[in-house]
Amino acid sequence: DSGVTQTPKHLITATGQRVTLRCSPRSGDLSVYWYQQSLDQGLQFLIQYYNGEERAKGNILERFSAQQFPDLHSELNLSSLELGDSALYFCASSAFGGSADTQYFGPGTRLTVL
Amino acid sequence: DAKTTQPNSMESNEEEPVHLPCNHSTISGTDYIHWYRQLPSQGPEYVIHGLTSNVNNRMASLAIAEDRKSSTLILHRATLRDAAVYYCILASNTGKLIFGQGTTLQVKP
Repeated sequence: DSGVTQTPKHLITATGQRVTLRCSPRSGDLSVYWYQQSLDQGLQFLIQYYNGEERAKGNILERFSAQQFPDLHSELNLSSLELGDSALYFCASSAFGGSADTQYFGPGTRLTVL
Repeated sequence: DAKTTQPNSMESNEEEPVHLPCNHSTISGTDYIHWYRQLPSQGPEYVIHGLTSNVNNRMASLAIAEDRKSSTLILHRATLRDAAVYYCILASNTGKLIFGQGTTLQVKP
């Protein structure tokens, strides 16, 4: 158990819909990362937050947005969903968000868009 | 973002050492070398990381070349539970991890 929790575990929805994925970091960790894992693209970094502020951005679509709240939990919002958005979405947390930090990954949310 | 190159797959026998290589010729001076692994149906799991010197922990050892352009993850005695995809990653100053394809390790009993 990494100490990172993600909800829901599974999500099935239709094209065009909007969903919210939630992540609670390990106690004391200030930085949260979101990653997407699909069969054809592998694991891709989406976005990073540190103590409520966006720190780094990866290949995140404009239809996707995220935020980190004062209690440090984070949400990833996916809108106008397409079939290709079906993937595993992982959240990870680390203490300070630096290059020497260990990242602890949650169990993931499996999103299926029909 | 600096890139890493790893073999697609490797095989090992149970209880034998495994050396997983990684090339990162474009590494910058401040990039840390991280290794994560992903077991089937699970999130990635931290294995080890280092900057310049070799590192040991309870899971593995990391040998870093003197010029830092390559590194090797060493599992001292592979077990069946070590079968996974192993990712060698260079972490930049923000800490974001750029995953490559990784090496799929098969461990034979």
